[in-house]
This record gives sequence, C-alpha cells and structure tokens, in this order.
Amino acid sequence: DAGVIQSPRHEVTEMGQEVTLRCKPISGHDYLFWYRQTMMRGLELLIYFNNNVPIDDSGMPEDRFSAKMPNASFSTLKIQPSEPRDSAVYFCASSPIPGTAHHGANVLTFGAGSRLTVL
Amino acid sequence: RKEVEQDPGPFNVPEGATVAFNCTYSNSASQSFFWYRQDCRKEPKLLMSVYSSGNEDGRFTAQLNRASQYISLLIRDSKLSDSATYLCVVNAGDTGRRALTFGSGTRLQVQP
Repeated sequence: DAGVIQSPRHEVTEMGQEVTLRCKPISGHDYLFWYRQTMMRGLELLIYFNNNVPIDDSGMPEDRFSAKMPNASFSTLKIQPSEPRDSAVYFCASSPIPGTAHHGANVLTFGAGSRLTVL
Repeated sequence: RKEVEQDPGPFNVPEGATVAFNCTYSNSASQSFFWYRQDCRKEPKLLMSVYSSGNEDGRFTAQLNRASQYISLLIRDSKLSDSATYLCVVNAGDTGRRALTFGSGTRLQVQP
C-alpha cells in the first residue's frame, strides 16, 4: 500500500485566494482525519470522517474552512478565502475499522503533509 | 488546562544515556494511549502503544499511571537516530469518538 497520499506537498499563495488540499487514505481505512500543525499550537484536529460522513468538525477554525469526503478514497480540505494565519502544515491521517478494545484500531497513519504558506 | 501536556524540552543527552519523558492528560475517561515520533519536517509516526501494565519494545519502555493520569516513555542507550520530537497521544475517551489528542511534543537531541 502506498500509504496516505496528500497533495500538494507545498503551496504558496496570496491572501484571499482559495486553497484546496487533497488526501487519499489507505484503502480499507474507514476513518479519515485532518490535522493542522503550527509551532505555536502543535497538532490540532480539524475534522474527522467515518465512512465518508463528518463526525466531528468542532476543530474547524471558522466558516472559511470546509472539508468533504465524496467517496472512501478521497477527501478535500478547502480554505476560502485564505489568510496569513492559515499558514501551517496540514496533515491527513487514516485509521482502520475500530474494534471495541483494540489499540490498533486507534492507530493513525499520517500522510506526508501539505505545507501551506499564505502571503 | 490543556488536554495533554508535555515538557517541550529540548532534552540534550549524550549517546548511550537514558532519558525519560513525561506526559499528563486531563480526561479521566481516556482509554487509549500512544507515543508517536516526529522527525523534523516529517509526519508523525507511531512509536508504540501504551498498555496499562506497561510495555517494552527494545530500548523503549512505556508506563501508564491511570490514578495520576500520567504517561511516561523511557529510552535506554540513546542513539543519534533517536533525535526527534516525541508526541504523547491520548484518545478522547467519549463513546464513539475516535479522534486522538496530541501533546505539543518533547524534543530530544542526542549528541555524539
């Protein structure tokens, strides 16, 4: 398996532009997570999906952020309009179908991340 | 109070040293615990799960103290390749929630 695949790896854009980040989870993983990492705030959960349905989006900063998962093999995180404070590394991660008490069910596999710089 | 708290470090230790990291968590209902490792400009990767009875994987030993809501990671015989940031990770504990909460990480620098 190629692992979790994210694109683009790097993006530099100007304030006000729309940014779309993409993620392909590991095949068979029913959970998909979007995290954001900055020096100041560390890794923050933005949203996660189970079987393509958003379960918890309480971490999404504001209405400028939206995420979709149209099918089991693809998700997008969109920022419109982007602002300099959105500059961060955005990670997508997936995990397998959880059991009732199996530690492995909660193990996340991360993609390589998308490094976003908004000027 | 943060959900997961770690000493940010950095911990600077010589090769061969033993080093320990600590982590506290605030949600007493949390049930799953992990240590992840993150190299500079890379994604986090699972280092090991933490079990109630404590567990060991080679030079790495993890301990859990539920009463004190405290997790530890011990690294023996440190190698240069152990230099990284170590993230303490805890699940939310609420029924049905599968999201993990990450600490800010403890940076380790092993020196020759």
